[in-house]
Amino acid sequence: QKEVEQDPGPLSVPEGAIVSLNCTYSNSAFQYFMWYRQYSRKGPELLMYTYSSGNKEDGRFTAQVDKSSKYISLFIRDSQPSDSATYLCAMSTPTGNQFYFGTGTSLTVIP
Amino acid sequence: NAGVTQTPKFRILKIGQSMTLQCAQDMNHNYMYWYRQDPGMGLKLIYYSVGAGITDKGEVPNGYNVSRSTTEDFPLRLELAAPSQTSVYFCASSRLNEQFFGPGTRLTVL
Repeated sequence: QKEVEQDPGPLSVPEGAIVSLNCTYSNSAFQYFMWYRQYSRKGPELLMYTYSSGNKEDGRFTAQVDKSSKYISLFIRDSQPSDSATYLCAMSTPTGNQFYFGTGTSLTVIP
Repeated sequence: NAGVTQTPKFRILKIGQSMTLQCAQDMNHNYMYWYRQDPGMGLKLIYYSVGAGITDKGEVPNGYNVSRSTTEDFPLRLELAAPSQTSVYFCASSRLNEQFFGPGTRLTVL
């Protein structure tokens, strides 16, 4: 079983839709949870960072962590064509030496 | 602040050739990482470093070597290039649990 599982998609939605991206994980020691956005032929850029359980909101983006279910989500409200990218979830333990990534979900927002 | 920089952007190697991928960061981060990214496979950790003079293997270290003589630089060495090393290589550095990536090096081995 992989440490982090992520549906690769692809996901295609109309502009203005609410997008839900999800990851599951198996290691209960993970405490730090991140979402990265990666545009084609670019490096991943950190989008959201949360510690332990709960929600975090930043503009149109909301990250949720449910440690009891080992499940994390990223919601994008009022999606825009500029949100078209691959979204990677990542997580790490308190020692923070290594990060464990999902394989990424490809999202296309259609104008 | 340039962040994490990588050179070269692109490279084509012949089988058996050697090269060094350069990575530098100006954020004074102790932790630095090398990943490779293959289509549909996500990011695989090759090597990482927790500070100058300290390196450790990641998930896929075979065929690669690293050194960390300064906080800023973390070069990745390929000694005998093989077609299986065709990939996009990303360097990253981290502060606490936030990781920052460079723009990548696209390597093809023919």
